Amino acid sequence: DAGVIQSPRHEVTEMGQEVTLRCKPISGHDYLFWYRQTMMRGLELLIYFNNNVPIDDSGMPEDRFSAKMPNASFSTLKIQPSEPRDSAVYFCASRPGTGKLFFGSGTQLSVL
Amino acid sequence: DAKTTQPNSMESNEEEPVHLPCNHSTISGTDYIHWYRQLPSQGPEYVIHGLTSNVNNRMASLAIAEDRKSSTLILHRATLRDAAVYYCILRDVRGGSEKLVFGKGMKLTVNP
Repeated sequence: DAGVIQSPRHEVTEMGQEVTLRCKPISGHDYLFWYRQTMMRGLELLIYFNNNVPIDDSGMPEDRFSAKMPNASFSTLKIQPSEPRDSAVYFCASRPGTGKLFFGSGTQLSVL
Repeated sequence: DAKTTQPNSMESNEEEPVHLPCNHSTISGTDYIHWYRQLPSQGPEYVIHGLTSNVNNRMASLAIAEDRKSSTLILHRATLRDAAVYYCILRDVRGGSEKLVFGKGMKLTVNP
């Protein structure tokens, strides 16, 4: 398996633009997590899904952020409109049942 | 959420053992202790986890205090590749929630 695949690796956009981050979890994994990492706040959990259903979105900063998982092999994290303070590395991770988390390589987002 | 406390950073020498401490004085009876590490420019990766008994795997050993209020990750022979940020995390399973909350972690520097 290729592991958790995220795209794009880098995204540079201007304030106010819509940003969509993509994630393909490892096949057969029941759980999918979105994390955000900054120097100031470290690694924060934004939302997680179980069997494609959002279970806990309490970490989503505000209504500008939304996440979907239309099927077991794909998830998106959307920011609309984007702001400079959204600049961070966004990680997707997946997990089988109660097993260990597998992280993707992350998307480095810069909002100018 | 039960929290963990780690030193901000540690240094070690190559090929010597390293003991990475973690305090979790508010741990509950069903909290698992997880360790992940993050190499530069990569997503975190699983290292080891345990509940009460000490655990060993090919990467490291986990020593858990009898009262479970602290634990130590042991790297038996540090290599340059072990230089990373190490996260000690308690797995929060309450009311159906299954999420890993990462803190700031501890940066390990390995000197050649």
